Amino acid sequence: GDSVTQMEGPVTLSEEACLTINCTYTATGYPSLFWYVQYPGEGLQLLLKATKADDKGSNKGFEATYRKETTSFHLEKGSVQVSDSAVYFCAFNQGGKLIFGQGTELSVKP
Amino acid sequence: DAGVIQSPRHEVTEMGQEVTLRCKPISGHNSLFWYRQTMMRGLELLIYFNNNVPIDDSGMPEDRFSAKMPNASFSTLKIQPSEPRDSAVYFCASSLEGRPAAGYTFGSGTRLTVV
Repeated sequence: GDSVTQMEGPVTLSEEACLTINCTYTATGYPSLFWYVQYPGEGLQLLLKATKADDKGSNKGFEATYRKETTSFHLEKGSVQVSDSAVYFCAFNQGGKLIFGQGTELSVKP
Repeated sequence: DAGVIQSPRHEVTEMGQEVTLRCKPISGHNSLFWYRQTMMRGLELLIYFNNNVPIDDSGMPEDRFSAKMPNASFSTLKIQPSEPRDSAVYFCASSLEGRPAAGYTFGSGTRLTVV
């Protein structure tokens, strides 16, 4: 069935390190793809999205490219900050609803 | 726009009591979703509405849970009777049907603790 598989966390990095959080999906057709971020004590916020193959979504220094061939949408950032510490969710839309991954916790140490 | 508004932010109740969570979606959005988040099970979709009509309630855990959307600007999620295993953060989200690329807007959640 439709599903999202994310890299397991927690991921712990030092400030200014490079980040990659892997995400692959199983879906019918070519859905829109999303990354959401959840800061401690808050709801989920849309971080970035891509609506078709080879599109690159970007926001706040984060990027992800829609790879149709590998059904992937990996999240990357070249230099993380302590303020990026949060839980990151990969998702896609199917049948009127969003299918979420299990979330990956990121902890950035100074 | 004030975004999706949920109330209360925190709720502590005793086992067996009725709990009602409330949500006001973004004006103009016609799809509304209720999610539950726990450490063990992650983010679970409980139910969603389109144009105030429940479309998929397959995620509602059992008959103790019920949800209503009497109009386009208000929805409730009720648990009766509540049990300790219902303790979780409950999120409401809204979107505009027909614009799947727009994603959802989430509320800040209600943290429910059943003792």
